[in-house]
Amino acid sequence: DAGVIQSPRHEVTEMGQEVTLRCKPISGHNSLFWYRQTMMRGLELLIYFNNNVPIDDSGMPEDRFSAKMPNASFSTLKIQPSEPRDSAVYFCASSLDSWEQFFGPGTRLTVL
Amino acid sequence: RKEVEQDPGPFNVPEGATVAFNCTYSNSASQSFFWYRQDCRKEPKLLMSVYSSGNEDGRFTAQLNRASQYISLLIRDSKLSDSATYLCVVNMQRGSSASKIIFGSGTRLSIRP
Repeated sequence: DAGVIQSPRHEVTEMGQEVTLRCKPISGHNSLFWYRQTMMRGLELLIYFNNNVPIDDSGMPEDRFSAKMPNASFSTLKIQPSEPRDSAVYFCASSLDSWEQFFGPGTRLTVL
Repeated sequence: RKEVEQDPGPFNVPEGATVAFNCTYSNSASQSFFWYRQDCRKEPKLLMSVYSSGNEDGRFTAQLNRASQYISLLIRDSKLSDSATYLCVVNMQRGSSASKIIFGSGTRLSIRP
């Protein structure tokens, strides 16, 4: 069975550029989560969706970050414009009814 | 005070030893609890859920103490492959569909030969 799929796996960009991260959750799961992980701050929940509807976006750092889930099988996290402090590993996870979360392999973002 | 707190470690123990971690949470309305394991440069993966009555899975035992608001993870007969970061997760249910999931910052465990 395919797990959570994230793309790209690695992204290197320059400050000011737009970055789009993509996630395909596990089929049948109804909750999707975006996390950011850094050494300094650990794993932070940015936003999560339930049945494609954003439920809690209080973790989104600022207006430069936005997330969408146009259907049950796809979500994006966009950063525009990107800054060096956005460098981190971004994980997407999905679950059924907010129980066990299955994480994707992550996108390692470096903003120069 | 953080909503979920863990000792960051690192815990450095010899192979075969027993090691225990605690995790405290601040919200008494917290409803479900989990331990995740994260290997270096990998994604977190569920290790075990934590039930009110406590539960065991092989060498791993998880316990919940609601009165004192903490959960624990005990690893017996530790193996080199147990070296990882262990993340405590607390799920606070809000309403019928919404919930707030908080990850602890993790406890690093290193098993030495």
